[in-house]
Amino acid sequence: EIVLTQFPGTLSLSPGERATLSCRASQSISSNYLAWYQQKPGQPPRLLIYGASSRATGIPDRFSGSGSGTDFTLTISRLEPEDFAVYYCQQYGSSPKYTFGQGTKLEIK
Amino acid sequence: EVQLVVSGGGLVQPGGSLELSCVASGFTVTSNYMTWVRQAPGKGLEWVSVIYSGGGTTYYADSVKGRFTISRDNSKNTLYLQMSSLRAEDTAVYYCAGGAKYYFDYWGQGALVTVSS
Repeated sequence: EIVLTQFPGTLSLSPGERATLSCRASQSISSNYLAWYQQKPGQPPRLLIYGASSRATGIPDRFSGSGSGTDFTLTISRLEPEDFAVYYCQQYGSSPKYTFGQGTKLEIK
Repeated sequence: EVQLVVSGGGLVQPGGSLELSCVASGFTVTSNYMTWVRQAPGKGLEWVSVIYSGGGTTYYADSVKGRFTISRDNSKNTLYLQMSSLRAEDTAVYYCAGGAKYYFDYWGQGALVTVSS
């Protein structure tokens, strides 16, 4: 089973700053199989990035994804007030079919 | 516009059963990979089950295998999750999601399932 570990657990930043969120897999995975989601309180998750670096439809270009192998990164270039939320990485594998990281909470400093 | 509307949540006693439904519009259930993801109160996301597009191959998380069954009704464009032998640890908001094989493009609003006596 592939385990995804996200860090930091909580990230405190101010609007306008750059956010860097990390997701580390316990073993190498294909970049095609790595996605990122944003979740705000009381809402379902929203797909941000798929295939490690492709933005989903309607996602602003301040969101970008990168990485390969075991290390993946979600970067938000300039934080907007609406970006403060919890972010999850997710991978597709063999068993279980899908796993999520434990999440990074991005909070206003 | 794609919409996934989840219903069927509620309070159920340990050992009981419940069925969730996810009605899709603007989106064909059989042509997409459809999944259930749950989130316990204050916790992270946990994948539960998936049904593949086309032939309908199914997979389950170990935590629900043998107790939950995922299915779909093509004529109603609806996804289901039949849950039995429910435990307190199954208490969560259950989301219906769908789209591509490797990730989930579209999400429903979720239904709360509470397992308690």
